[in-house]
Amino acid sequence: DTGVSQDPRHKITKRGQNVTFRCDPISEHNRLYWYRQTLGQGPEFLTYFQNEAQLEKSRLLSDRFSAERPKGSFSTLEIQRTEQGDSAMYLCASSLAAGHTVSYEQYFGPGTRLTVT
Amino acid sequence: AQKVTQAQTEISVVEKEDVTLDCVYETRDTTYYLFWYKQPPSGELVFLIRRNSFDEQNEISGRYSWNFQKSTSSFNFTITASQVVDSAVYFCALRNSNSGYALNFGKGTSLLVTP
Repeated sequence: DTGVSQDPRHKITKRGQNVTFRCDPISEHNRLYWYRQTLGQGPEFLTYFQNEAQLEKSRLLSDRFSAERPKGSFSTLEIQRTEQGDSAMYLCASSLAAGHTVSYEQYFGPGTRLTVT
Repeated sequence: AQKVTQAQTEISVVEKEDVTLDCVYETRDTTYYLFWYKQPPSGELVFLIRRNSFDEQNEISGRYSWNFQKSTSSFNFTITASQVVDSAVYFCALRNSNSGYALNFGKGTSLLVTP
């Protein structure tokens, strides 16, 4: 059983550029979450999908951020016009909720570390 | 509002010592879920345990044990006979049943176990 995978693992970009990250959840998981983690802090929730529907968004998700999960499988997180304050680790997690089977725990991927210069 | 406080920023112990990581939470919900995650130097968050608000039984898993006390809103984590491989940042997290699926994390406690 493969875990959550994220690509790329590291991304260095110049301020003002657009970046896109990909997350592949655990195969049978229908819920997918994005978090952001800055140095010395715990992860902060960004957004959540159930299947292809984006059901919840944090106030942290500014207009420059957009997330998609077009077929209910992998997800992408795009940041437009990156700023230095966007430098962080972007974490993806997944969980399962189907019928009577609900797992409340979220399983995390290795993260994508973004550095904006 | 919901909040998780991990007052200990860093703890350093010598191998084989016992260590307790504190977690205090705030919530107005009567149904909620508490979690502990481990983040080793490699960076990937590893799920350790989930506790439901209606289940106050303490739990032991090998060298790990958790003490959940609703009266003090605490969910503390004890590692017995610590090992170097336990060195990591440990996060406590809270999820309310009525306010979405987001996990609210504390700031974490960095544990260093030296030989």
